[in-house]
Amino acid sequence: AQSVTQLDSQVPVFEEAPVELRCNYSSSVSVYLFWYVQYPNQGLQLLLKYLSGSTLVKSINGFEAEFNKSQTSFHLRKPSVHISDTAEYFCAVRPASSNTGKLIFGQGTTLQVKP
Amino acid sequence: SQTIHQWPATLVQPVGSPLSLECTVEGTSNPNLYWYRQAAGRGLQLLFYSVGIGQISSEVPQNLSASRPQDRQFILSSKKLLLSDSGFYLCAWTPGTGFNTEAFFGQGTRLTVV
Repeated sequence: AQSVTQLDSQVPVFEEAPVELRCNYSSSVSVYLFWYVQYPNQGLQLLLKYLSGSTLVKSINGFEAEFNKSQTSFHLRKPSVHISDTAEYFCAVRPASSNTGKLIFGQGTTLQVKP
Repeated sequence: SQTIHQWPATLVQPVGSPLSLECTVEGTSNPNLYWYRQAAGRGLQLLFYSVGIGQISSEVPQNLSASRPQDRQFILSSKKLLLSDSGFYLCAWTPGTGFNTEAFFGQGTRLTVV
């Protein structure tokens, strides 16, 4: 079985400051890793994903995450945040060999960007 | 392109009343379909998933049920709602073939049981 732990429930940060949202997972099999973002009262949107290859993956809006197999982590980072980045962020995993696509989510981290 | 529709967007229902939430996917065939629930201040919990018409797998015991009467239609139901059924319900889909893709989510339904 897999599990995901997001170590921070809330992360307050000032605009233009860097931010890191932490995600650790547990799995006995290879996994795919995802970060989703959720704006208030909306569904989830994919931010970025790691399937294979380069361990550093980037989104189009400046976020990046690095897969660290030895530490079983997939932390999300952004060097300079904007007010519009305020949202809830979810880390998720699924077994690489699974054909059902079921995701296991962390509890979520609320990013609060202050002016 | 593929789209996913979920309705209603918000719903307020009394305790003991029935529930029916509907989700449809367009632009793809034989998708895997999922119902997740997000309770206040908590993460997402997978409730049901389906890999085909009439095939429903339940992930947690609960007061809810799911059905898939058509290939791209997924329905979440309850005969009698409980206060604890309140939450944000999200429908999602993944392609039926191919393993290395993400899940695509609907806009969600905010259910308040009063």
